[in-house]
Amino acid sequence: NAGVTQTPKFQVLKTGQSMTLQCAQDMNHEYMSWYRQDPGMGLRLIHYSVGAGITDQGEVPNGYNVSRSTTEDFPLRLLSAAPSQTSVYFCASSYWGGAGYTFGSGTRLTVV
Amino acid sequence: TQLLEQSPQFLSIQEGENLTVYCNSSSVFSSLQWYRQEPGEGPVLLVTVVTGGEVKKLKRLTFQFGDARKDSSLHITAAQPGDTGLYLCAGWSGGSNYKLTFGKGTLLTVNP
Repeated sequence: NAGVTQTPKFQVLKTGQSMTLQCAQDMNHEYMSWYRQDPGMGLRLIHYSVGAGITDQGEVPNGYNVSRSTTEDFPLRLLSAAPSQTSVYFCASSYWGGAGYTFGSGTRLTVV
Repeated sequence: TQLLEQSPQFLSIQEGENLTVYCNSSSVFSSLQWYRQEPGEGPVLLVTVVTGGEVKKLKRLTFQFGDARKDSSLHITAAQPGDTGLYLCAGWSGGSNYKLTFGKGTLLTVNP
């Protein structure tokens, strides 16, 4: 099925550990973004990309890295996990940012 | 920083009632998007409006974009329990700003 696939769905990390959240889309979308969703804070943009090889920071980029080597994949790396990074993470893609995004089903991350 | 204010934050109504959710900003947007999110899932795009004064209808849902393209509303007629969810508005500025800004959402509960 066409769409945005995120893995894993759930993850528990210890403080200081690193990990990569995977995101893949098969719709040939140029625009891809990572958001985190926290109670009372809404969806906040972490990093985004407007095409392969092009990435930029969003509203809350500290502690996260991204790369975009292909149109399909946009992984999010947590460099040294902290309890403040406990959240639900969503990846989204769009053929054009103004047209609306397709979201993945999310990764629920807990840092202990 | 562009902000989108949604109101009300919470809404609990009985089946069959009508309701309106508002999304306001001091910034002008090239497009305004509405999403619905159910527990444990990613947001799903309902509609995109791009022209000031535009009105779009999706069955019992009516979306309006303000003339100045700074605000939008979502009206639901004869709400049903299946309408329960978190409704999010998101603004796209266009041009060289590739970021999509989300409001914090309206949590709607429709009681049978």
